[in-house]
Amino acid sequence: GQSLEQPSEVTAVEGAIVQINCTYQTSGFYGLSWYQQHDGGAPTFLSYNALDGLEETGRFSSFLSRSDSYGYLLLQELQMKDSASYFCAPPGRRALTFGSGTRLQVQP
Amino acid sequence: DVKVTQSSRYLVKRTGEKVFLECVQDMDHENMFWYRQDPGLGLRLIYFSYDVKMKEKGDIPEGYSVSREKKERFSLILESASTNQTSMYLCASSSLGGSGGDTDTQYFGPGTRLTVL
Repeated sequence: GQSLEQPSEVTAVEGAIVQINCTYQTSGFYGLSWYQQHDGGAPTFLSYNALDGLEETGRFSSFLSRSDSYGYLLLQELQMKDSASYFCAPPGRRALTFGSGTRLQVQP
Repeated sequence: DVKVTQSSRYLVKRTGEKVFLECVQDMDHENMFWYRQDPGLGLRLIYFSYDVKMKEKGDIPEGYSVSREKKERFSLILESASTNQTSMYLCASSSLGGSGGDTDTQYFGPGTRLTVL
């Protein structure tokens, strides 16, 4: 089986840095994906960590530690448009598993 | 530009009606998925398909069935709609991945907000 834990909500101000943590338990682990979803929109792919370590894509970075069953998404230089829900998603045996997500609110 | 389309953005049905939700992708993807999304529960997998005429149950298949007669089209069927099936339904597709350890980006449609009265 699989289980995921993410904080339900995070609030930060424009220009700040925020880290969204994800801990998981899954059988047959193959990495960790992150998706972003704006209110009323569809989830869109942000990043995938196949191996341990940090992956950087512009203002967003994602980290994975398979031995700790832990990952995080780091958002730097926050902008108002980053207000959205963020989902970590470890691949299961046959499909991705999405958790409840973390709602990020960026304040001016 | 990749595209997943869903037949309706909003749908209102009555209890007991048969409901069809259609999803079409134009990326020649092998995999297609149906999720429902409810506040506080995130995305939950209903059914998925790795090939034409092939289907597998996800985490919450009860009350639903699916059909994949063509590679580009994946339909979700509510045989007899109930009020607890009021939800946002999201379709997604991805290219071939699998138990070898790869994951492939899932591309989502805009969603169908279904209300069952």
